[in-house]
Amino acid sequence: ETGVTQTPRHLVMGMTNKKSLKCEQHLGHNAMYWYKQSAKKPLELMFVYSLEERVENNSVPSRFSPECPNSSHLFLHLHTLQPEDSALYLCASSQDSIKPNEKLFFGSGTQLSVL
Amino acid sequence: AQSVTQLGSHVSVSEGALVLLRCNYSSSVPPYLFWYVQYPNQGLQLLLKYTSAATLVKGINGFEAEFKKSETSFHLTKPSAHMSDAAEYFCAVSGGYQKVTFGTGTKLQVIP
Repeated sequence: ETGVTQTPRHLVMGMTNKKSLKCEQHLGHNAMYWYKQSAKKPLELMFVYSLEERVENNSVPSRFSPECPNSSHLFLHLHTLQPEDSALYLCASSQDSIKPNEKLFFGSGTQLSVL
Repeated sequence: AQSVTQLGSHVSVSEGALVLLRCNYSSSVPPYLFWYVQYPNQGLQLLLKYTSAATLVKGINGFEAEFKKSETSFHLTKPSAHMSDAAEYFCAVSGGYQKVTFGTGTKLQVIP
């Protein structure tokens, strides 16, 4: 059991579309994360939220816009994406974002294809 | 600064054989080290983590890893591979208040 649910599982969108990815955690954690997983590359941390405040933005292009309305929900709003943005987008949560030994709990991801 | 290098993007072993997945790290502070596993169509799950309490760390599903400071390594082993071990394995490092840095992953294939 992961306790982190992501929807949709798969998404195909054109470069002019606007779509959103949703993540919900049922673990009572204080921190939530967006990661991008591309083939043959390390997981890339995109955003970190702690207690609903964004604490890190890893130089992510503005066509990716995160939103954290409460500590249980995290969204990633997408618009005018490029084909190179096609990847698996993983949401994760942890009890605390500051402690370096925190275990991350991941969702199953959204496989995004940009045409 | 911190980094992780996983040697071998693909490893194949026979069922019942020893599994050895290699990980070397770089960290400017005493590191916390992790192994995560990703099964097909799923997110990552924590296998085990090193937090300086003991150099040999036991994880779930019979896996263990040994922290060797002199070699800056944290290799993952399992004495006998099972078909259900086929997955992708990620080594990760975290130091100080830096966020977790992941390696590129090693896909383990288990041959019957």
